[in-house]
Order: sequence, then C-alpha cells, then structure tokens
Amino acid sequence: DTEVTQTPKHLVMGMTNKKSLKCEQHMGHRAMYWYKQKAKKPPELMFVYSYEKLSINESVPSRFSPECPNSSLLNLHLHALQPEDSALYLCASSLRGSGRDEQFFGPGTRLTVL
Amino acid sequence: AQTVTQSQPEMSVQEAETVTLSCTYDTSESDYYLFWYKQPPSRQMILVIRQEAYKQQNATENRFSVNFQKAAKSFSLKISDSQLGDAAMYFCASWFQGGSEKLVFGKGTKLTVNP
Repeated sequence: DTEVTQTPKHLVMGMTNKKSLKCEQHMGHRAMYWYKQKAKKPPELMFVYSYEKLSINESVPSRFSPECPNSSLLNLHLHALQPEDSALYLCASSLRGSGRDEQFFGPGTRLTVL
Repeated sequence: AQTVTQSQPEMSVQEAETVTLSCTYDTSESDYYLFWYKQPPSRQMILVIRQEAYKQQNATENRFSVNFQKAAKSFSLKISDSQLGDAAMYFCASWFQGGSEKLVFGKGTKLTVNP
C-alpha cells in the first residue's frame, strides 16, 4: 500500500466552526507533513511530525492545531479560521523525515472558509 | 538563502514531442538533493525523478530524464515522447544540507500537452 489518504475531500466551514482534517498512511513511514497550497502556487509547509513528535512548525497561527495520535495518523484541527485560510491542504509522508526522502502526498482536502 | 527558481510559468508541447522544463537553484552547500514533482489537475502530487548532488550521472526514469549541471546550478527536466497524461504542474524542489529538513519548492511550471 503506497497511498496516503485524506478525509474529507471537501470541507466548507464558517469562521466560528471547529473541524478536523484527517490523514492516514500504512507504508510504515515515520514522518508526516501538513502543507497548505493556494491555487497555482507551490505547497507551503506548515508542520512536520517525525517519529510522532512535532519537529517543524513553520510559525503557523494557533487556529491550526496538529495532532499525531500514532505513526500512521495525522490530524489537523481547525478553529476560528479566516477566509484567507481557504486552500487545498495536503498531507504527505516520508520514510524518516529527512529532506532527502521522497515524500508521498495525499489527494488533499479542499477547504473553504465562509 | 537557499532558493529554487523555475522561470517558465507555462509551457506547451505537442503529443509525442520532447519538452524541457528549466530549474535553477542557489546554495553554498555541497550536499543536497534535487527533485521534480508532478501535480496533475485534481490528482495527487507524485515524485517524477530525484537527483543526488554527489552523483555525476544524470537521473533517468523511463521518458523522464534530467540534465544536472552542477557548476551552473541547473536541474532541467526533459520529457520525451510527451503524452496527454503528462499535462500537469511540475514543481522543482530541493533539500539542502545545513538547513532544516524541509523542501524548498520552485513556483512551478504548468505543462500543457496538445493532441
């Protein structure tokens, strides 16, 4: 299984809502990533978990809260988002968390904040 | 600062022909890896090809090959016998030793394949 899955595919939420994005992989990878991608732009790294510990936080606002319950699962909890947070949120995984490693990406969650 | 530059926002190619996408980078590090990722419309981003800086031989994966010019800090992607399924955004990316473990992405090149 060389797949990273993400749910939901699409999410529409108001600025006062609380929602969560979920990512899962069963490749035995020990690093997982959250990226934000705006249309026609490259992905922007948000968070990296390596061996279930947060190793990189790219100064992301606290309204985004990551969680890594185990090595196969990654969540992104959303609260009090702004319309400018509307984007495609990509999850990725890699073997060890080294930048040398190939990253495997999920299909993304298309988030719209009203 | 480590940077990756893709100077071609859009490119087009006729089916079955060859196209080259450009990428340059800037680093003072000697250890780094270079990647080309492909993101088809509404589909997952996938790795196309990877090059390790210490390897002189250019990487090749089927119809995809790179022209790695280390002195010029250039890492172009050649797609031979272009197919309709090659239409996508292509991102050049790099990891540089001495920085964090994050990838540095270029802005991307949108490739259109004309039948």
